[in-house]
Amino acid sequence: DQQVKQNSPSLSVQEGRISILNCDYTNSMFDYFLWYKKYPAEGPTFLISISSIKDKNEDGRFTVFLNKSAKHLSLHIVPSQPGDSAVYFCAAITQGGSEKLVFGKGTKLTVNP
Amino acid sequence: GAGVSQTPSNKVTEKGKYVELRCDPISGHTALYWYRQSLGQGPEFLIYFQGTGAADDSGLPNDRFFAVRPEGSVSTLKIQRTERGDSAVYLCASSSPGSHNEQFFGPGTRLTVL
Repeated sequence: DQQVKQNSPSLSVQEGRISILNCDYTNSMFDYFLWYKKYPAEGPTFLISISSIKDKNEDGRFTVFLNKSAKHLSLHIVPSQPGDSAVYFCAAITQGGSEKLVFGKGTKLTVNP
Repeated sequence: GAGVSQTPSNKVTEKGKYVELRCDPISGHTALYWYRQSLGQGPEFLIYFQGTGAADDSGLPNDRFFAVRPEGSVSTLKIQRTERGDSAVYLCASSSPGSHNEQFFGPGTRLTVL
């Protein structure tokens, strides 16, 4: 039973355009959400996060939106750059518990020059 | 400063053998996590240490898997009687006190069981 779902295995965008990666979750106990970026043969790298008390968090070219009622979050990258090409994982956590991250299956983003 | 390191980077073993995977967390990080990533999947939680003790081992798939962190720093994941289904990338992560949300990952150990 996947508690965190990334339904798009891949996404391809042109350099300079916006990339939108989506994530849905089922467990209403999740109260903190993170996006990780992963290059081949490397471990995941933290990108941006959002608490469930917020609906938006922005960091440079990266913005995460959270819609709690829909149990949906999205990561926007604008403008997209070729170096953004990687696999992006959505992860969720219930704070105050074991702090284990629950990951989606990932979306492979390709930014074409 | 140094990030999380894991050794070996690759491990090939035969079915039935015993393996040990090592994780060196970031200095000062009290929390340490092991995850397993199979092909086409996201990382899946195995075990979480707070200091020397395993605070949550609910993700360990069966009793062939065991992990220790005797001095609250380096951790070793041990797999007995390996099976082909154990083949995966084993990731270690650590986080600082009060900041368990942001976990810093190592590069992983790719385990292949023939």
